[in-house]
Amino acid sequence: EIVMTQSPATLSVSPGERATLSCRASQSVSSNLAWYQQKPGQAPRLLIYGASTRATGIPARFSGSGSGTEFTLTISSLQSEDFAVYYCQQYNNWPITFGQGTRLEIK
Amino acid sequence: QVQLVQSGAEVKKPGASVKVSCKASGYTFTSYGISWVRQAPGQGLEWMGWISAYNGNTNYAQKLQGRVTMTTDTSTSTAYMELRSLRSDDTAVYYCARGGWDKDAFDIWGQGTMVTVSS
Repeated sequence: EIVMTQSPATLSVSPGERATLSCRASQSVSSNLAWYQQKPGQAPRLLIYGASTRATGIPARFSGSGSGTEFTLTISSLQSEDFAVYYCQQYNNWPITFGQGTRLEIK
Repeated sequence: QVQLVQSGAEVKKPGASVKVSCKASGYTFTSYGISWVRQAPGQGLEWMGWISAYNGNTNYAQKLQGRVTMTTDTSTSTAYMELRSLRSDDTAVYYCARGGWDKDAFDIWGQGTMVTVSS
């Protein structure tokens, strides 16, 4: 199975600043990579699919990049509602696998 | 609007079974697949398996093979996930999520169903 590793585990950033989250796959997943946001008590929400395509209704401050084994989620100017846990997911191979998550907290 | 609505919370004893439902609305059910994802308290997301709502094909996580069965009822646009021989480490929130014909990202999620396994 493909292991997805996210870094850092926790990221402390001030509102208005940029946040950069990383995700590494143990083998190539091409561009079959998604990012999700999860807030406490809520289901995950799809942000990015195909490594770089924003899902419907996702603000332009969220952007994804990368292919193969290295991926990045960038939030250009953090808003208060962006503080949450973020997961990457590969859907190139069965079984589908998730990273362990990055907690984005207010600095 | 497009949504997935799941059944309510369950409390089960070790060794029992649980069956969670996920009713789809607002889209053509048979044009997509449904995955099930669980999240133990304070932990990350774990993919459990996928079912095609078109033809019933399934793909299960190896660690759950033999204990999990996913089915659909196209007449009611409902997907089901049954987990047997429950253990305490099956305590989690269980989510259904809409995906594509095959491996795909999950664009719509159910609200989650808490399953507690306790003696």
